[in-house]
Formats: sequence, C-alpha cells, structure tokens
Amino acid sequence: QSALTQPASVSGSPGQSITISCTGTSSDVGSYNLVSWYQQNAGKAPKLIIYEVTNRPSGVSNRFSGSKSGNTASLTISGLQAEDEADYYCCSYAGITTWVFGGGTKLTVL
Amino acid sequence: QIQLQQSGPGLVRPSQTLSLTCAISGDSISTYNVAWNWLRQSPSRGLEWLGRAYYRSKWSNDYAVSVKSRITINPDTSKNQVSLQLNSVTPEDTAVYYCAKGEHTAFTIWGQGTMVTVSS
Repeated sequence: QSALTQPASVSGSPGQSITISCTGTSSDVGSYNLVSWYQQNAGKAPKLIIYEVTNRPSGVSNRFSGSKSGNTASLTISGLQAEDEADYYCCSYAGITTWVFGGGTKLTVL
Repeated sequence: QIQLQQSGPGLVRPSQTLSLTCAISGDSISTYNVAWNWLRQSPSRGLEWLGRAYYRSKWSNDYAVSVKSRITINPDTSKNQVSLQLNSVTPEDTAVYYCAKGEHTAFTIWGQGTMVTVSS
C-alpha cells in the first residue's frame, strides 16, 4: 500500500479539465511544500511535470498546474488532450531524508 | 542535454547482489545542489525511493529505511557515473529500477529503467 492516496482512475473529454488528488498526512504533504508530480507513459520512465507544489519545469505545458491544501495536493490538467492520457504519480518529501509516492492515477481521455 | 544511461543484468539469483550502473552525460556527477538517486517500481510496491549520493565538499549517502542494511550507492567520478548495489536479494526485489537526478527536492531527469527479475 502506497504512502500517499490517489484515485485509481480519472477520465475526461478533450477540452475539459480534470483534477487528481493526492492525500497524505501531516508528516509528509502537510508538513512540506515539496510535492512533485510525474507523468508516466506505458513502458517509459516517469517525467517530472510539477515540483514544489506549483512549479512547472521548463518545457512543461501551462495546462498542468498544482496546488495544496492541508494534507492534500492536487494536479489539474486543463484543456485535456489525447496526448495527456497516461499514469500520474504524486510524490512528497516525508522528512528524515525520504520520499513517498502515491499509488498512481490512470487518466483516460474519452 | 542531460541523459542518464542505465546498464546491468536483468536477472539476478536469490541471495545474490543486484548491481546497476547509471552513466551521466551532459552534467557532472559532482555538481552541487543535486543528488543522484535510485528508485524502483513494481506492481506490489509501486514507486519506491531507495537512496541517493550527493557531493557537498565530500560525498554522502542517504538510504531508505526499508533497504538500508542491504544497499550501497557509489559515485565514480572518473567515469561520471553512479552505481547501485543491493545485497541478499529476494523475489520481492523484482522491479524496474531507475536512476534519477534530484533537484528542488524532486526527480528531474530519469534513466530509461532496467527491469530486474530475481529468480533461480
């Protein structure tokens, strides 16, 4: 069982917005603004799309945005596109030099 | 453009040592404010951070509690690469292993992944 809780799946139609939640505890998500999100296509390595809760690396579309409230972080994808179909993972620093991940969310673009 | 190229065997016998290498191009392994991490991913355990090596005037390591007694991550500055050794493996260690560059407390660049099966 993963340390952070994500919905197993979400879906949306092209052009819509979807939000993926990531629930942790006061020891990880709630304590640090060090949540990151990764996109993983089948058979590929994860790709960083959000770091430090809200920041996008260079080259990542501004359709991806992150936020956090209490022990829950969220990833929002706006203007959904077919190419966004992938698995998404959240990750949080958990203190004592360790990181914890969510179980992943499969995004289906209808 | 930074690239991480992983190499190592895909099959390891139980109780033996898993050894993987991550060759870094486009960056120096001794760069300050970055760390070189190993992670793994399996259906049963999900994504799991294993440990890291980093240089801050000297080389240091941090390891996950779950593998701390069995893991060693070593930098090789002459080859600009970092290695992973995991001792006394069991079938539970079967996973895709990744090396990744750590910045901003996130994993910014990933290797291609190496599927390692522990089986006799």
